[in-house]
Amino acid sequence: AQKITQTQPGMFVQEKEAVTLDCTYDTSDPSYGLFWYKQPSSGEMIFLIYQGSYDQQNATEGRYSLNFQKARKSANLVISASQLGDSAMYFCAMREGLNTGNQFYFGTGTSLTVIP
Amino acid sequence: DTGVSQDPRHKITKRGQNVTFRCDPISEHNRLYWYRQTLGQGPEFLTYFQNEAQLEKSRLLSDRFSAERPKGSFSTLEIQRTEQGDSAMYLCASSLFPGQGFNEQFFGPGTRLTVL
Repeated sequence: AQKITQTQPGMFVQEKEAVTLDCTYDTSDPSYGLFWYKQPSSGEMIFLIYQGSYDQQNATEGRYSLNFQKARKSANLVISASQLGDSAMYFCAMREGLNTGNQFYFGTGTSLTVIP
Repeated sequence: DTGVSQDPRHKITKRGQNVTFRCDPISEHNRLYWYRQTLGQGPEFLTYFQNEAQLEKSRLLSDRFSAERPKGSFSTLEIQRTEQGDSAMYLCASSLFPGQGFNEQFFGPGTRLTVL
C-alpha cells in the first residue's frame, strides 16, 4: 500500500487566490512526522512545513498552513495569496517515528501552476 | 551554511558504463541520504548513512549500486554497468540526528543521469 497519496497530478490557481493541495497517508505507527516540500524546475527540494502526529494545532509557516485531520489521515497543504513564484511541484512526505532520522516516504506530487 | 552540494549536476552515459556521483552534505550533519526520482514520481529512498556507517538500504539498491561515506563527510554513489532504467534524478539529503526540532532533511540540487 502507498504510504503517501497525492491524488491531484495538476492544479491551477489564480494569482492572489488560495489553493489546497491534498495529501493522505497510511501508517500504523502512532508517531510520525508529515512534511511538505516544493520542487521548482531547477530540481532542488525546498522544505515548506512540518506537522508532528501529536501536534494539537495545525502548523503554519507564513503563507503555508497544513490542514491536519488525524482521524482521516490527511495533511493538506494550503497556500494563501498565491504568487507566480509558487508554480512548482509539491510533494507530501512522511517519516515514521518522531524525532528520528528515518527515511522519508514521498507522494507522487502535485504540479501547481499560478495564473496571472 | 553552504547547503548540500552534488556533483555533477548532469551526466550522460552509454549503457554498460560505470558512473559515480558525489554528495557533500551540510558540514555538521551526520546523516546522509540518497534518493532516486524518476519522471513524474516522488523521490524514492535508496540508502542512508550515519557518519560512515551505512544503516539501511532499500530493495531498489541492486547489486550494481554501491554507496560509500568513507570519512563520514562526503558520500559517493556508484552505478556499475548502467542500464536505461537507471535514468533518473539522484538526490542527496542530509540531516543532523539527533538534533533540535523535527530533523528535516535538506536536499541538494540532484544529479540528473541519462543512460543512452
